[in-house]
Amino acid sequence: KQEVTQIPAALSVPEGENLVLNCSFTDSAIYNLQWFRQDPGKGLTSLLLIQSSQREQTSGRLNASLDKSSGRSTLYIAASQPGDSATYLCAVSHNTDKLIFGTGTRLQVFP
Amino acid sequence: DAMVIQNPRYQVTQFGKPVTLSCSQTLNHNVMYWYQQKSSQAPKLLFHYYDKDFNNEADTPDNFQSRRPNTSFCFLDIRSPGLGDAAMYLCATSRAGTSLNEQFFGPGTRLTVL
Repeated sequence: KQEVTQIPAALSVPEGENLVLNCSFTDSAIYNLQWFRQDPGKGLTSLLLIQSSQREQTSGRLNASLDKSSGRSTLYIAASQPGDSATYLCAVSHNTDKLIFGTGTRLQVFP
Repeated sequence: DAMVIQNPRYQVTQFGKPVTLSCSQTLNHNVMYWYQQKSSQAPKLLFHYYDKDFNNEADTPDNFQSRRPNTSFCFLDIRSPGLGDAAMYLCATSRAGTSLNEQFFGPGTRLTVL
């Protein structure tokens, strides 16, 4: 049974810092991995999707990497801003069906 | 803009009173999902439709049902809501058969049970 773990559970940093969020999964036979952002009381916004054959994806200040063999992904946020404050969730899928989510990292960036 | 829409955004119901949550999409995706997310927990898949084929998760209570009358709409019916069903309900869509199978989420419906 696939289990997804995210560390740390919460993170508080000053504005401008570069930071790394970690995601690990127990079954490496994944189809893809998605990183989402969730603001309080809101739905999920897809940030990046990495296919199993890829090593990384970049979008603006965000970079996600995938090491499938070791069951790990990281989300790198450069030059963090207060507007980045949210919960970040990673999720993996097997074949073309459901996503299995981690419990998220709650990020606070203070001015 | 193509999107996933959920109505209502907030729903209050009484213990045991049936409630229906709605999801619609303009993405023309063939797969639609319903997730339940309780406070500070990860979203948990309840069921999904692959075209018209309904796929229920093994641990989804019988109290939860779903309907998909056409490609664009999907409904979540909770027949007799209990206090433990208070949660955020998230609808998502994807286009299966592509190499990405990226899921797109709606804004969610927050259900309160009194």
